[in-house]
Formats: sequence, structure tokens, C-alpha cells
Amino acid sequence: ETGVTQSPTHLIKTRGQQVTLRCSSQSGHNTVSWYQQALGQGPQFIFQYYREEENGRGNFPPRFSGLQFPNYSSELNVNALELDDSALYLCASSLEGRGTEAFFGQGTRLTVV
Amino acid sequence: LAKTTQPISMDSYEGQEVNITCSHNNIATNDYITWYQQFPSQGPRFIIQGYKTKVTNEVASLFIPADRKSSTLSLPRVSLSDTAVYYCLVVPYNAGNNRKLIWGLGTSLAVNP
Repeated sequence: ETGVTQSPTHLIKTRGQQVTLRCSSQSGHNTVSWYQQALGQGPQFIFQYYREEENGRGNFPPRFSGLQFPNYSSELNVNALELDDSALYLCASSLEGRGTEAFFGQGTRLTVV
Repeated sequence: LAKTTQPISMDSYEGQEVNITCSHNNIATNDYITWYQQFPSQGPRFIIQGYKTKVTNEVASLFIPADRKSSTLSLPRVSLSDTAVYYCLVVPYNAGNNRKLIWGLGTSLAVNP
């Protein structure tokens, strides 16, 4: 049990809609990263939050946005959903200065129809 | 971040030792080699990490030659439950906050009865 929890586990949305995915990081972890994983592919880095500030972003458009809260939990928001946004969205938490290990949640499976 | 190359797929049988090799020719001095395991529709799970020589834990061993341009993950006596995708990553071990991980396609390991 990694301690990182994501909600919801599955979600179906219609093209053009907006979605919010949530992540509770492992206790004490101050850094949260979000990844998108398409079927058969490795995870792709979306962005990272450290102490409530965005700290690094991958090659994703601005309609992908996020937040980190004082308790280090985080949200991923996606506006104007497209069919290609269908994927497994993964949240990973880590603690700065404590090595390179990241702890992942079970993911949210988003299907856009 | 250094790119890695690993076989797309491997097949094995229960009870055998499995060795998965990863190439990382452009590894930097402060990079660590990290392996993750991922089951379908779940988040990746950290397996092992090393810098040089050999590292062993209760799950696997990691062999890293002196030039660090490759590494080998060794899974002793695999079972059906070891069927998963295994990812090799090189990750900078530094005090900064940018821990985004760059993932390849991984190695899909199938363990047969």
C-alpha cells in the first residue's frame, strides 16, 4: 500500500466537457507529479507541483491545469476534453531530498466519448 | 534526462531467473538507475534503484557495470504474478525539485506456467 490515493478510479466524459481528478499524496510528501498514460505506452509527464507551485511542465496544452493544496493533495483539471485525452491518469508523490523514488496511486481511467 | 533502451517484450517460465537489460549510454554523473513494475490498470511500483555495482533487495537485484552505460534487472525464480511491464529510468539525484520522470515503453514480461 503506497498511501497515494486517486479519485475517481473510472470516469466517462463527453468531448468538450471539463474534468477534475484528485490525488492525496503519501503522508509528508510535498511534491506531486501527474502523468498521462495511453494504452500500451509509458507514462508521459504532465506537470509537477511543489509546495503549491507548479514546478516543471511537460508538453501538454494549457487546458491541462492543476492545483496543489496546503496539505499537499492535488487536482488535475482538463478543459475542452478531446477523444485523445482518454487515458490512465497517474499521480505520484515524493519527498524532496529523499532520493528518486516516487510513489504512484492506482490511477484514474478517463474515457472521453 | 537520459533516454533508455530496453527490450519490448520477454517470455519466461515459472521458477526461472529473468534478466532484463537496459541501455543508457548518455547517463550523467548524478543519475541513478531506477526500475519500476506496472501491472495493467495500476500505477507503477518502485522495485529497485542503484548507482553502481550491485544492489539487492527482497524483490530483485540490479547489476551496474563500471561504465554505467547499461544495467540489468534480475528477478530470481519468477512466478505468474511477476507478469508485468518493467520500466528502466535514469533519474537525477539532486537537491532540486524537478523530479519529472521520462518513461520509455518498458519491457513486457510474460511468465508462463
